[in-house]
Amino acid sequence: GQNIDQPTEMTATEGAIVQINCTYQTSGFNGLFWYQQHAGEAPTFLSYNVLDGLEEKGRFSSFLSRSKGYSYLLLKELQMKDSASYLCAVRSDYKLSFGAGTTVTVRA
Amino acid sequence: DAGVTQSPTHLIKTRGQQVTLRCSPISGHKSVSWYQQVLGQGPQFIFQYYEKEERGRGNFPDRFSARQFPNYSSELNVNALLLGDSALYLCASSLVDRSDPFFGPGTRLTVL
Repeated sequence: GQNIDQPTEMTATEGAIVQINCTYQTSGFNGLFWYQQHAGEAPTFLSYNVLDGLEEKGRFSSFLSRSKGYSYLLLKELQMKDSASYLCAVRSDYKLSFGAGTTVTVRA
Repeated sequence: DAGVTQSPTHLIKTRGQQVTLRCSPISGHKSVSWYQQVLGQGPQFIFQYYEKEERGRGNFPDRFSARQFPNYSSELNVNALLLGDSALYLCASSLVDRSDPFFGPGTRLTVL
């Protein structure tokens, strides 16, 4: 089976940094995705890791440790528009298995 | 280029009815996957189709069925609707069956 855990909620101040952790136990692994999802909208792609290490893309960075079954998404210089749900998803074969999502609230 | 499109945007049905949701993939993409997202949860995998064949099925009852057409568009059918089928139904297309998925805007289904 697939088990993907991430915190339910996080709150941070505009301009700050927030780190969202994701741990996973899956029967297969072909990469880990992070998506951003605003309420009522479709998930939009943020990052993808298949090898261990850090991937940086602008204000967003994602880290993966396959041996520990662990990833994190780092959001820097937070903006109000970053208030959203962040989904961690593991790909095994042809499908994605998602965590329940972390709701990030950015306060002024 | 147009992204993944889904229709309808919103739908209201009553228990016991049947519904058909439609998805058009990105041009050139041959694989379509369907996901169900209940409020407050992450998306759950329902089906994947690649080159018009079912490649995988999630843990959903036989009331859920799908197909893919020669132009690679896809339909998801749900029979005998239950209140618990109320959700956002997401379609994702990818170039081939194991390449990165791109999500459509979803269809919001409400079952009363």
